[in-house]
Amino acid sequence: SAVISQKPSRDICQRGTSLTIQCQVDSQVTMMFWYRQQPGQSLTLIATANQGSEATYESGFVIDKFPISRPNLTFSTLTVSNMSPEDSSIYLCSAQVSGANVLTFGAGSRLTVL
Amino acid sequence: QKEVEQNSGPLSVPEGAIASLNCTYSDRGSQSFFWYRQYSGKSPELIMSIYSNGDKEDGRFTAQLNKASQYVSLLIRDSQPSDSATYLCAVLPGAGSYQLTFGKGTKLSVIP
Repeated sequence: SAVISQKPSRDICQRGTSLTIQCQVDSQVTMMFWYRQQPGQSLTLIATANQGSEATYESGFVIDKFPISRPNLTFSTLTVSNMSPEDSSIYLCSAQVSGANVLTFGAGSRLTVL
Repeated sequence: QKEVEQNSGPLSVPEGAIASLNCTYSDRGSQSFFWYRQYSGKSPELIMSIYSNGDKEDGRFTAQLNKASQYVSLLIRDSQPSDSATYLCAVLPGAGSYQLTFGKGTKLSVIP
């Protein structure tokens, strides 16, 4: 399965600032996704990162708040913009390797917004 | 709205016993089913996948799928304290979709 490197692993941010999370996969993947896991909750899909085009966002998530890039098959970024304490969460990058029907996760980025 | 339901627990079992984790899903057209294990503070890791009705065994783990009842379960035999974690059921809709829907997870505690 793919190895997914995600950084930063954690950060403490001030209200109103923005933070970009990077995700690097060690092999070519078909699909890349960004999930959010709020404290004590399950995973919620934010968006599908599409190579070379705009991400596909799920209901409740918008590009202005969570801009996503995917310039190539193995790299994606998620920005959490204009953060508020409600954005404190773990953000997880995931990928589906070409030819495989399973989803692998990065280690996650734990954000705390003060 | 596609939904995946799990009992949140916590489910406590003594060491050596069988732990039974259950999951139901609403989308009858779902094709693929997964169980992920998530230790506290860690990301989910895939432990089992199942695609057809019946049982699938892998070591101490057995996944069971009943599409008619829209039900999938995970049995853990000879439970160990190291199995203590949250288990997430995830469902993949029909052909052409790669977006997993996760249940809220069941927290399992294996008591030594």
